Amino acid sequence: EVQLLASGGGLVQPGGSLRLSCAASGFTFSDYSMSWVRQAPGKGLEWVSTLTGGGHSTWYVDSVKGRFTVSRDNSKNTLYLQVNSLRAEDTALYYCAKAIAPTSSYFEDWGQGILVTVSS
Amino acid sequence: ETVLTQSPATVSLSPGERATLSCRASQSVSNSLAWYQQKPGQAPRLLIYDASNRATGIPARFSGSGSGTDFTLTISSLEPEDFAVYYCQQRNNWPLTFGGGTKVEIK
Repeated sequence: EVQLLASGGGLVQPGGSLRLSCAASGFTFSDYSMSWVRQAPGKGLEWVSTLTGGGHSTWYVDSVKGRFTVSRDNSKNTLYLQVNSLRAEDTALYYCAKAIAPTSSYFEDWGQGILVTVSS
Repeated sequence: ETVLTQSPATVSLSPGERATLSCRASQSVSNSLAWYQQKPGQAPRLLIYDASNRATGIPARFSGSGSGTDFTLTISSLEPEDFAVYYCQQRNNWPLTFGGGTKVEIK
């Protein structure tokens, strides 16, 4: 059974930083692209970033480019999202998500979501 | 950026009725479109990918169709557990984008 367990969220002041983690199990982690998707309170889904299985290719939504960095440690089966220069509009529930197939960009499995609140 | 527009924003139906949800893309996404269901307090659930393929474990009452810019998710006969918000998502172009969602509520 695929499990994705996210951690690292919390309350942070504008301009602050956090590192989100997503511990994966139940599949060969290094084979799969992994992504972060966020959802602001009461709003819809927004794709944030994707990283290929080997970690060599990354993509970001424009609004986070230069501020967020996605990475992975395949030896630890863990996905990360370093979020810097946080803004109020980054307040959201952040989901890590596993692709349906190794290089796919459809999200078959999701973590439980981790809340990031940016407020002074 | 490919903008996905879902309609209607909300639809009120009764159990047993047929639901037809629309997703229109601002440019062609070929058949590279997925549908997700999200219930309150839960993560989204993949229903359909590549426009018409049901994901593992998804009941046959869910079906998807379309290509290019116009897509439809059909729920043939609504069960009580189907009342939720539905999102479409395209993967044909970066950035990946989601539609704004359609809420299927109980009439």
